[in-house]
Amino acid sequence: DAKTTQPPSMDCAEGRAANLPCNHSTISGNEYVYWYRQIHSQGPQYIIHGLKNNETNEMASLIITEDRKSSTLILPHATLRDTAVYYCIVRAYDSGGGADGLTFGKGTHLIIQP
Amino acid sequence: DADVTQTPRNRITKTGKRIMLECSQTKGHDRMYWYRQDPGLGLRLIYYSFDVKDINKGEISDGYSVSRQAQAKFSLSLESAIPNQTALYFCATSETGYNEQFFGPGTRLTVL
Repeated sequence: DAKTTQPPSMDCAEGRAANLPCNHSTISGNEYVYWYRQIHSQGPQYIIHGLKNNETNEMASLIITEDRKSSTLILPHATLRDTAVYYCIVRAYDSGGGADGLTFGKGTHLIIQP
Repeated sequence: DADVTQTPRNRITKTGKRIMLECSQTKGHDRMYWYRQDPGLGLRLIYYSFDVKDINKGEISDGYSVSRQAQAKFSLSLESAIPNQTALYFCATSETGYNEQFFGPGTRLTVL
């Protein structure tokens, strides 16, 4: 069963902020939210992850609602190279006892328009 | 040089043939993973390995086997390839189960 729900596609104008939503209403207290993206058919690329606090790195910002049932990935100044499929993934923190990989849904196809 | 490499990058084979896909990494990670991606879908986990002696089945392991020859090498085998194994295959590594996974460029496999 899918743990996350994302819109299948979104458009964004180049230079604008791209805001990608993700619903994860059944998230558990020990589960993190991860975001990856896949450009064309390349290997997925890690973007960011968080537990409950907002996070920012050189690629993006992650905003997680207080109830943790949804989150938004923000690409502050989208470029044409940000056109990709973006995956929102929830998974439990692994303290060393297990590593069951990542569960990918269908993601959101973000198209940056010139 | 790429941290995670996969060979071959493209392969066409026939039904019933045995085929091996190889993955090598220079990141020094203990954990390695094999995923499969079908058109329009996300990746699905086939096998994963914590270290050379610890290999585990993923969501869709039937029809596949793996070998962890060394920390840096993790191979995926299709014992008797069938057409519905036509897909894009990705290898990945991570330092721990918590850290980000680093993916290889993928192998496009076609089974006729």
